Amino acid sequence: EDQVTQSPEALRLQEGESSSLNCSYTVSGLRGLFWYRQDPGKGPEFLFTLYSAGEEKEKERLKATLTKKESFLHITAPKPEDSATYLCAVQAIGTTDSWGKLQFGAGTQVVVTP
Amino acid sequence: EAGVTQSPTHLIKTRGQQATLRCSPISGHTSVYWYQQALGLGLQFLLWYDEGEERNRGNFPPRFSGRQFPNYSSELNVNALELEDSALYLCASSLESWGEQFFGPGTRLTVL
Repeated sequence: EDQVTQSPEALRLQEGESSSLNCSYTVSGLRGLFWYRQDPGKGPEFLFTLYSAGEEKEKERLKATLTKKESFLHITAPKPEDSATYLCAVQAIGTTDSWGKLQFGAGTQVVVTP
Repeated sequence: EAGVTQSPTHLIKTRGQQATLRCSPISGHTSVYWYQQALGLGLQFLLWYDEGEERNRGNFPPRFSGRQFPNYSSELNVNALELEDSALYLCASSLESWGEQFFGPGTRLTVL
C-alpha cells in the first residue's frame, strides 16, 4: 500500500534559522510528488510538483528536492509569514485504486518566531 | 483568474440528516476531486469526477456520493450523517487528470 511519512511533526524556528522538512514515500510507481502549504482552517496552497529523482524546484525561501525514496523541503532564512503546515502528497501510477488521488502525509507544522 | 470556490463556508447538521456541499472548479479545469480532512486524520481522498463521470472513489461508505454537472461544477452529498463526519471538506480541481490539484477554501461540516 502507498505510504507517505513526514518528519518532524512540528518544527519551531527562529526567524532566519534555516531548516529542512522530510517526506519519505513508498509507492508502486511515482507519477508525481507535490508540496502544499496549509494555513489553519484554509485549503492547501500548491507549492511544487516534482516528477523524477534529482529534480529541484525553488520559490522564494523554499526549495524542494526529490530522490527515489524521499523529498526534502528546505526553508532558507524563514520569516514569521512562513509559519504554516507543510503537506507532502504523492500521486502513484499502477492500480486503478490510485487513479487521480493524492496520498497525503500528516504534515509538518512550522512555527517561525521573530 | 478565480480559484476554486466552495459553498457554504460552514454547515451545521444533526445526526441522521443529509448535507450537500458545492464546488466550482477553476475555469477550464474538467477534473474535480473531494477530500475529507478530519481532526487528527489528515487529508483523505473521497471522490474524483472527470467529464461528468465518477472515475475513482476512496475508502468511504456509499452514503458519501456526488456528481459533476455539465459546467464541471460538482456536488458532494453525505446521507445519514454521523458525528464522525464532522470535518473540513475540500474540493480541488485540475486541468489534466494527472496534473496539479488546486484546492478551494473548504466547507466546515459540523454534525451535532
